[in-house]
Amino acid sequence: EAGVAQSPRYKIIEKRQSVAFWCNPISGHATLYWYQQILGQGPKLLIQFQNNGVVDDSQLPKDRFSAERLKGVDSTLKIQPAKLEDSAVYLCASSLVPIGQVGTDTQYFGPGTRLTVL
Amino acid sequence: AQKITQTQPGMFVQEKEAVTLDCTYDTSDPSYGLFWYKQPSSGEMIFLIYQGSYDQQNATEGRYSLNFQKARKSANLVISASQLGDSAMYFCAMGGGSNYKLTFGKGTLLTVNP
Repeated sequence: EAGVAQSPRYKIIEKRQSVAFWCNPISGHATLYWYQQILGQGPKLLIQFQNNGVVDDSQLPKDRFSAERLKGVDSTLKIQPAKLEDSAVYLCASSLVPIGQVGTDTQYFGPGTRLTVL
Repeated sequence: AQKITQTQPGMFVQEKEAVTLDCTYDTSDPSYGLFWYKQPSSGEMIFLIYQGSYDQQNATEGRYSLNFQKARKSANLVISASQLGDSAMYFCAMGGGSNYKLTFGKGTLLTVNP
């Protein structure tokens, strides 16, 4: 079974430029997550989708970050314009269980995109 | 709100020995899950083990076991017979409640010495 795919793996941009990351979850997984991991810290959830609907985007800086999952499969996260403090690894994860089902399902992560903003 | 605390920034262990990585948590949700992930220098988060709050027995997966003490709100990871490839960051995480987002600790950097 193929894992979570992400691209690109690395990206270097200058501040005020825009950037987009792509994620393809494990086939059949209803829930998709984007996390931001700043160096030396644990990942922090940015946005959570169930199918193509947003479940939680409370920690997404909506003035510059946007994300979509139009067909309920792959997803794109965009930053426009980027700031120096956006330098981080952006991790995509997916899980099988939709919201509402009892229990907590395991999230499987992709390899991440390492973003450097100069 | 959920909170995960990992108090060991770094740990060292000799190859073939066992090591325990500490994790304490705080939540008001009656139903939750506790996870451990491994993050090598390549950056990918690798799922290791899961413990549900209602599970009666401690979880085990190969060389990994989770020492779950509910009253103490602790979920320590035990790695037996350490290998050089175990050198990595290890994150404890919690999920559950009204949504399924994971709350992560700050991680512990494990170094296995030959």
